[in-house]
Amino acid sequence: RKEVEQDPGPFNVPEGATVAFNCTYSNSASQSFFWYRQDCRKEPKLLMSVYSSGNEDGRFTAQLNRASQYISLLIRDSKLSDSATYLCVVNTGFQKLVFGTGTRLLVSP
Amino acid sequence: GAVVSQHPSWVICKSGTSVKIECRSLDFQATTMFWYRQFPKQSLMLMATSNEGSKATYEQGVEKDKFLINHASLTLSTLTVTSAHPEDSSFYICSAKASTSGKVTGELFFGEGSRLTVL
Repeated sequence: RKEVEQDPGPFNVPEGATVAFNCTYSNSASQSFFWYRQDCRKEPKLLMSVYSSGNEDGRFTAQLNRASQYISLLIRDSKLSDSATYLCVVNTGFQKLVFGTGTRLLVSP
Repeated sequence: GAVVSQHPSWVICKSGTSVKIECRSLDFQATTMFWYRQFPKQSLMLMATSNEGSKATYEQGVEKDKFLINHASLTLSTLTVTSAHPEDSSFYICSAKASTSGKVTGELFFGEGSRLTVL
């Protein structure tokens, strides 16, 4: 079983749509969680950290369920510029990040 | 914000040659840097943790004699792919852990990545 699993997609949505990505992780001792965004042939960039209480940053909402070892990312009012691959990332300790394979999002006009 | 610079961004080499990739933290010191590799349509895989002034810690399955890591200063780590072969062709990315005034932030900052093609 992979340490971090994501649906690879792609998710094809029209502009303005709401889309949700899910992620599960296997290491129950994982300490912190992130969503990164990666554009084609570019380095990943931090989108947001994920907190147990859930957190929101503009159109983006992240949720964490430690009991189910499940992380989610919700994007509201999708923009064309949101098209990218979204990586679920888990810090298993000592800043060792484990990346999911990513979920590709394509937002169309 | 913190910036990590990687060089070169793109390199093509012949099989059997060695390639050095540099990772620099431009406006902060990084006692720890990480090297990742990403094959097409796959996730980033941690190769090794680079520690300033000491030996790197390699992940299982990564050959330390093939992927030489040197972290000689608080702002520079290098990855040398020795005797490169076509199967080493990949996207190599470094990241650095930022610390400010002795406090460690939760975020890692990534270099722009280096795309290696071995012919």
